[in-house]
Amino acid sequence: ELKVEQNPLFLSMQEGKNYTIYCNYSTTSDRLYWYRQDPGKSLESLFVLLSNGAVKQEGRLMASLDTKARLSTLHITAAVHDLSATYFCAELRDSNYQLIWGAGTKLIIKP
Amino acid sequence: GAGVSQSPRYKVAKRGQDVALRCDPISGHVSLFWYQQALGQGPEFLTYFQNEAQLDKSGLPSDRFFAERPEGSVSTLKIQRTQQEDSAVYLCASSLGQGIGGYTFGSGTRLTVV
Repeated sequence: ELKVEQNPLFLSMQEGKNYTIYCNYSTTSDRLYWYRQDPGKSLESLFVLLSNGAVKQEGRLMASLDTKARLSTLHITAAVHDLSATYFCAELRDSNYQLIWGAGTKLIIKP
Repeated sequence: GAGVSQSPRYKVAKRGQDVALRCDPISGHVSLFWYQQALGQGPEFLTYFQNEAQLDKSGLPSDRFFAERPEGSVSTLKIQRTQQEDSAVYLCASSLGQGIGGYTFGSGTRLTVV
């Protein structure tokens, strides 16, 4: 069964701290997506990781991909309140168009 | 348009009623997808169009669900005889082609069946 597992599913942290969200996936797909979703809003694309060892950074967020371990991480550095949201990872199914999604990590950053 | 537009934003339907949800993708985007997102969950694939052709409808939960994209642009997701378990957010996404350049999602339609 194709499955994407994220952990933790819920994370409450203080501003200024660092933390990592983990995403394990099951296919041989080499394409992994990270999205952000604010309450009641749609999905905002953060990163597309296309190959083993890929690392992308945008502000306080950094994503990486290890295709051998089938693991992607989203690292948050010196968190700020504005990063509070739910973060999803999704892998591209081998069919090349269907995204398989994790359950999401709800991140709350307290001032 | 600048983004993917979905309407209505919210829909409350009485059980047994038919509903139609509209998606207007980004102009020029060949691929169009419908996803269903239950509360507190990640989206789940429903169906995929390439231009006007529906290439995959394997995710549609029952034959009450029907999607079309007759001219290769606007798409409609229709749900007949709605049931309570159909309550969810229905998301539309488009891309240039098979994820090229990533997927852009609309704001979704929140369907509540009472």
